[in-house]
Amino acid sequence: AAGVIQSPRHLIKEKRETATLKCYPIPRHDTVYWYQQGPGQDPQFLISFYEKMQSDKGSIPDRFSAQQFSDYHSELNMSSLELGDSALYFCASTSGTKFGGELFFGEGSRLTVL
Amino acid sequence: EDKVVQSPLSLVVHEGDTVTLNCSYEVTNFRSLLWYKQEKKAPTFLFMLTSSGIEKKSGRLSSILDKKELSSILNITATQTGDSAIYLCAGNAGNNRKLIWGLGTSLAVNP
Repeated sequence: AAGVIQSPRHLIKEKRETATLKCYPIPRHDTVYWYQQGPGQDPQFLISFYEKMQSDKGSIPDRFSAQQFSDYHSELNMSSLELGDSALYFCASTSGTKFGGELFFGEGSRLTVL
Repeated sequence: EDKVVQSPLSLVVHEGDTVTLNCSYEVTNFRSLLWYKQEKKAPTFLFMLTSSGIEKKSGRLSSILDKKELSSILNITATQTGDSAIYLCAGNAGNNRKLIWGLGTSLAVNP
């Protein structure tokens, strides 16, 4: 069965650089969530999209932006990277109309900022 | 402020033991309670609980919700080394489609 696809799986950037993470949800899922997970921490909700519109905003820094495209894939853009942005970034998808909380996660994109 | 608290934070058991993980929640517009298992990768969905007192079961894992006590437990019987993982509990604040996560219980099952 198709799962949530994230790319790239690993990314190394330097401070002040820009990075873009991509997320391809499970087919027919219209809702995408972005989470950031630092070492030993629980996932921190960043932002979510439902039907290509932002549905909720969490602890996403102003340096980050995201959007969901017409094919429901989503991209997380991170600018002016800081060392503290090093983390595992998860994307999760679900069906918004049937949302009960069961998110299906991608494998994550590990960002390392040097 | 919405919060989800899990206990214990970590647990070490031997293969064959039975474990009970706890999760308590204070979530506005609570809709459901979810359990996830996280190994060295993305969390994988285990259970979604919406009704009090109804046990959900999958193999050696089972979970139940108590809406009166605002809590849930996850039971794992006859533990195996492959059960070693972090078990995350999350409350669904239904109105805004947001999950409130606990810090997780780190379970280590020794042979």
